[in-house]
Amino acid sequence: AQSVAQPEDQVNVAEGNPLTVKCTYSVSGNPYLFWYVQYPNRGLQFLLKYITGDNLVKGSYGFEAEFNKSQTSFHLKKPSALVSDSALYFCAVRDRRNTDKLIFGTGTRLQVFP
Amino acid sequence: EPEVTQTPSHQVTQMGQEVILRCVPISNHLYFYWYRQILGQKVEFLVSFYNNEISEKSEIFDDQFSVERPDGSNFTLKIRSTKLEDSAMYFCASSSGDRGGQPQHFGDGTRLSIL
Repeated sequence: AQSVAQPEDQVNVAEGNPLTVKCTYSVSGNPYLFWYVQYPNRGLQFLLKYITGDNLVKGSYGFEAEFNKSQTSFHLKKPSALVSDSALYFCAVRDRRNTDKLIFGTGTRLQVFP
Repeated sequence: EPEVTQTPSHQVTQMGQEVILRCVPISNHLYFYWYRQILGQKVEFLVSFYNNEISEKSEIFDDQFSVERPDGSNFTLKIRSTKLEDSAMYFCASSSGDRGGQPQHFGDGTRLSIL
């Protein structure tokens, strides 16, 4: 069965420090991979995606993610966290083969302290 | 930047009543989706819609649910006879494509509360 795991419910980091939000997936074949962010009372906002090519993809607001096929991971990173990055982050995957649906992880709450 | 808009932001309905949730996808998008998020749980796929047809649906999307694109701009989700367990945040999304990895863009959601 296809699944996405975000092992940390919450990640705490001091402003200015690097951050990592972890994601691993279980999908047969080569999936499309996405990160979304959700601010309070808002919808899911697209951050970045991995389709093919370079394992390091860059997205909005200085975020990037590293695809690791052997570890089936797609961790979200940012070199220097901002207090305004505090939000709920969702990893999602989509099987390339004949499906539209996104499968989401349970989400990780990022708290950046000043 | 173009947005997906959803109305209402909050809907309170008595159990057994019909409810219609409305969405206006991004104007040049052709693929439309509904997801839901029960409080404290994962975001779950309900249905995808293209060319006036359902292209995929989950097991959650039973006979009580239906979708429609009544005109060139709106995309609706109808729940025919609501149950308590239908209480959730419902998100509409749209995409410019389905097979090339184009991202789905989400609205802010409708919080549905069934009493």
